[in-house]
Amino acid sequence: NAGVTQTPKFRVLKTGQSMTLLCAQDMNHEYMYWYRQDPGMGLRLIHYSVGEGTTAKGEVPDGYNVSRLKKQNFLLGLESAAPSQTSVYFCASCDPMRGTSNQPQHFGDGTRLSIL
Amino acid sequence: KQEVTQIPAALSVPEGENLVLNCSFTDSAIYNLQWFRQDPGKGLTSLLLIQSSQREQTSGRLNASLDKSSGRSTLYIAASQPGDSATYLCAVYNNNDMRFGAGTRLTVKP
Repeated sequence: NAGVTQTPKFRVLKTGQSMTLLCAQDMNHEYMYWYRQDPGMGLRLIHYSVGEGTTAKGEVPDGYNVSRLKKQNFLLGLESAAPSQTSVYFCASCDPMRGTSNQPQHFGDGTRLSIL
Repeated sequence: KQEVTQIPAALSVPEGENLVLNCSFTDSAIYNLQWFRQDPGKGLTSLLLIQSSQREQTSGRLNASLDKSSGRSTLYIAASQPGDSATYLCAVYNNNDMRFGAGTRLTVKP
């Protein structure tokens, strides 16, 4: 059981380049999230999805796009990378409610992205 | 806007000590509060989740409490071990929005 898998693990881009980060989960979770983590700060929510074919903006969505074409995958795109997007990106998934219990989010190991 | 604060930012203790990590939040309208552990270069591992209707949760040597009215949570670690060294983050969840604190970096010295 792999849980949440993020690819790639590391990437260096030049300003203006584009790329897509992939998140895959094998737990059949409905909800998926993309966060960024910067030094000295907590994680901040970029975008999230509450089910296949749906996406919504989080706290810091500008400069990013997402897609959820399949339930198990959540893609994060940078159309024109900027140095301010240098960060560690985390994907998470959960089923928010199971019975009467809130369920925890499960996280991937992160993608370390540097924009030069 | 929900803001989450964790104090202290860093803590160093000798092995065997009991310790308390603090988390405060500004908006008491939350569904749940989670404590996570993050090891260097790794993702987050959920330690404890407290639903808004609960006051505390326990798992092994860990105990987390929640006081919604005062906007506070504590994570108590009993008999600390070097393997507990990590960054501990708290996060509050409401309406598909999870807000994190910046974390407390814990070092347990042998």
